[in-house]
Amino acid sequence: GEDVEQSLFLSVREGDSSVINCTYTDSSSTYLYWYKQEPGAGLQLLTYIFSNMDMKQDQRLTVLLNKKDKHLSLRIADTQTGDSAIYFCAETSSGTYKYIFGTGTRLKVLA
Amino acid sequence: NAGVTQTPKFQVLKTGQSMTLQCAQDMNHEYMSWYRQDPGMGLRLIHYSVGAGITDQGEVPNGYNVSRSTTEDFPLRLLSAAPSQTSVYFCASRGSTDTQYFGPGTRLTVL
Repeated sequence: GEDVEQSLFLSVREGDSSVINCTYTDSSSTYLYWYKQEPGAGLQLLTYIFSNMDMKQDQRLTVLLNKKDKHLSLRIADTQTGDSAIYFCAETSSGTYKYIFGTGTRLKVLA
Repeated sequence: NAGVTQTPKFQVLKTGQSMTLQCAQDMNHEYMSWYRQDPGMGLRLIHYSVGAGITDQGEVPNGYNVSRSTTEDFPLRLLSAAPSQTSVYFCASRGSTDTQYFGPGTRLTVL
């Protein structure tokens, strides 16, 4: 079946850039998402990208999509302590109701 | 709009007890779903509904029942709780776009 994989942990220093990576197996993915989960909270949608796009930028966030390699990344510029959270990658295909989530990457920002 | 709301926030049950986790959304979304979140496993789909009166099983449906009598509400029932059902449960809804919005979660412990 379809799968989404992420590394479990990432640690960066405040002010540096963070890059969180995700790979997926479903070649029919239409939308790919990044969600942020802070401790004790639900999932907050950060950004998403259509599968026909290579890049999307939204303030400090840059999403890169390599469809050939089925690789998605989220870059956070000027990472702040408030960015410490778990980041989930997810994908879905248009016309289906299944979302496939990765296991989440725990980002720790060191002051 | 309140978005997606869930009650209760926390619950402790004894093995064999039953309970209902409530979920409501005020965005008139047709699609609603229930996920459970366990450490190192990301989010797994339990059940979903594409509209009032229509429900279907997700990835891990055993031990859970759902119903969808109105567009707004999508309760999740545990008929006979087991320790393996200790988890954090998230409800989500989706409208005409393919973006899901999540509730704040219910943290359930089964002793």
